[in-house]
Amino acid sequence: EAEVAQSPRYKITEKSQAVAFWCDPISGHATLYWYRQILGQGPELLVQFQDESVVDDSQLPKDRFSAERLKGVDSTLKIQPAELGDSAMYLCASSLSPLAGTDTQYFGPGTRLTVL
Amino acid sequence: AQTVTQSQPEMSVQEAETVTLSCTYDTSESDYYLFWYKQPPSRQMILVIRQEAYKQQNATENRFSVNFQKAAKSFSLKISDSQLGDAAMYFCAYRGFYGGATNKLIFGTGTLLAVQP
Repeated sequence: EAEVAQSPRYKITEKSQAVAFWCDPISGHATLYWYRQILGQGPELLVQFQDESVVDDSQLPKDRFSAERLKGVDSTLKIQPAELGDSAMYLCASSLSPLAGTDTQYFGPGTRLTVL
Repeated sequence: AQTVTQSQPEMSVQEAETVTLSCTYDTSESDYYLFWYKQPPSRQMILVIRQEAYKQQNATENRFSVNFQKAAKSFSLKISDSQLGDAAMYFCAYRGFYGGATNKLIFGTGTLLAVQP
């Protein structure tokens, strides 16, 4: 069964350093999502891509976060510089088409970020 | 703005028994989708069940069923014949009916379910 791949699974960094997370969605899925899940809370959307275009980045802290999906397939989320409050699980999800009512988002295993 | 509330941070159930997880939501839309996702420890989140708001019939998936009360904006999950593998964090989520920018899932804070042998 096809799955969303993410790497690394765990990342420890010091504040002010740069970090990057990678996501490979399920083949053929046009829509890709990055969510942030702070411990004890539900995931919150950071950015949504439709193919290579951003359709929603309203909750992305753009002064330090950036995301790209250059060829409309895999995606990278970057934080520079990292702050203590960025410690969280970063989840990637993909779906076939948001225009389909029964569209289902499939999640990857996540990257657990710890900022020291 | 839409919100999702899960008022039970933790629940416990005996193996083979039935448990119900609660969820309420707030929206001004008439058409939308509701979901229950399961997040096992150190594993990815998976979809348990989906309910379309325009459908009156409650969704069921094997041992999992929902009680959808649209007027009350309530969406509870019932797990029958609980198994050890059901132990996980369960998230209730809302999604608008139309795609594009409104396609994001809005999650509750989760309910941690423990299954006692």
